Amino acid sequence: DAGVTQSPTHLIKTRGQQVTLRCSPKSGHDTVSWYQQALGQGPQFIFQYYEEEERQRGNFPDRFSGHQFPNYSSELNVNALLLGDSALYLCASSSAREAPTDTQYFGPGTRLTVL
Amino acid sequence: AQSVTQPDIHITVSEGASLELRCNYSYGATPYLFWYVQSPGQGLQLLLKYFSGDTLVQGIKGFEAEFKRSQSSFNLRKPSVHWSDAAEYFCAVALNTGFQKLVFGTGTRLLVSP
Repeated sequence: DAGVTQSPTHLIKTRGQQVTLRCSPKSGHDTVSWYQQALGQGPQFIFQYYEEEERQRGNFPDRFSGHQFPNYSSELNVNALLLGDSALYLCASSSAREAPTDTQYFGPGTRLTVL
Repeated sequence: AQSVTQPDIHITVSEGASLELRCNYSYGATPYLFWYVQSPGQGLQLLLKYFSGDTLVQGIKGFEAEFKRSQSSFNLRKPSVHWSDAAEYFCAVALNTGFQKLVFGTGTRLLVSP
């Protein structure tokens, strides 16, 4: 049973560029959440996708956008990259059938470095 | 707004000694509570969770946590630490609404000395 997978593992971009990160949820899961983890900090909630729609959003600017596909996989897009966007981006999946006591399972993350 | 406090940034414990990591939350009602562990360069692995019922929760790898409503705390414990337990530990809370949005503490880094 494959867990949550993310690609790429590492990414280096320069300021002003755009980046797309990808996530495949755990088998049987239909909900995907994205978190940003800056160095030395706990993860911060960016947004959550269910049924191909953004269901809730954290305190992140519109430069951060996402998408969920019919197979439940998801993308996180960040436009106009800033140095402060350098972080580990974590994807978590869960099952809406188990809500509200569903458990989020995390992928290994994508390390984004903005130069 | 809900928040999570992990007052210890670093903790060093001798191998075989007991461990307690502190977590306090601020929220008007009883949230759902979680402990996750993160090894270097890795994602987060769930150790245990509390939704309701028995306030003493057992998790994986010999960890347990106790929910104390009066203290708004959810401390993580282990009776005997192994060198492989060295990692970053995160406490998280979630609103018990129709879907989860996890709010994490800043983490406690556990170092295990021989």
